[in-house]
Amino acid sequence: ETGVTQTPRHLVMGMTNKKSLKCEQHLGHNAMYWYKQSAKKPLELMFVYNFKEQTENNSVPSRFSPECPNSSHLFLHLHTLQPEDSALYLCASSQAALGEETQYFGPGTRLLVL
Amino acid sequence: AQTVTQSQPEMSVQEAETVTLSCTYDTSENNYYLFWYKQPPSRQMILVIRQEAYKQQNATENRFSVNFQKAAKSFSLKISDSQLGDTAMYFCALGRGATNKLIFGTGTLLAVQP
Repeated sequence: ETGVTQTPRHLVMGMTNKKSLKCEQHLGHNAMYWYKQSAKKPLELMFVYNFKEQTENNSVPSRFSPECPNSSHLFLHLHTLQPEDSALYLCASSQAALGEETQYFGPGTRLLVL
Repeated sequence: AQTVTQSQPEMSVQEAETVTLSCTYDTSENNYYLFWYKQPPSRQMILVIRQEAYKQQNATENRFSVNFQKAAKSFSLKISDSQLGDTAMYFCALGRGATNKLIFGTGTLLAVQP
């Protein structure tokens, strides 16, 4: 248990559905991240939020829409996804002060797009 | 460009033996961090060990230690007295000092055999 929770743990959705992934951190951190983990590929950073402000959008398609209402919560809204979006989506958090780079990860949401 | 390379896709070790996982990286930064993360079949990404680039002393965490060769840009992980619970995918990651982005390698799947 790392202090970062994610729900749901598994999700199956059709290409026309709209769903949301939720992440919550209980570590008092001020930075949160979304990563995509596909088979046989390195983790891909999708979005970074520092103090609720988005500071990184790594050329992610607009069918993925992040939301960070406060430093403890992060959402990833999904709509009209493609089968190639099927992957493990990991959330992480860190204390993004100078000198502290360690990120703590949640258990992930396994997403299957049909 | 920042890159992280793990050249061993899979490794196997007998229980109680020692194993070393390799990682090389490339960066033009002077201030950076290196990490080893472990992802067991449960999928939770767990921090194993971290190393600050400005520290010459190799980091150690119980049975886990690193061999940090800054000039060679090499960062290997040594696991002593391997246990069945060490079976997992191990990721090497590079964190840059000025930002809070992590760049991951493709991982090494370690199997500890009884």
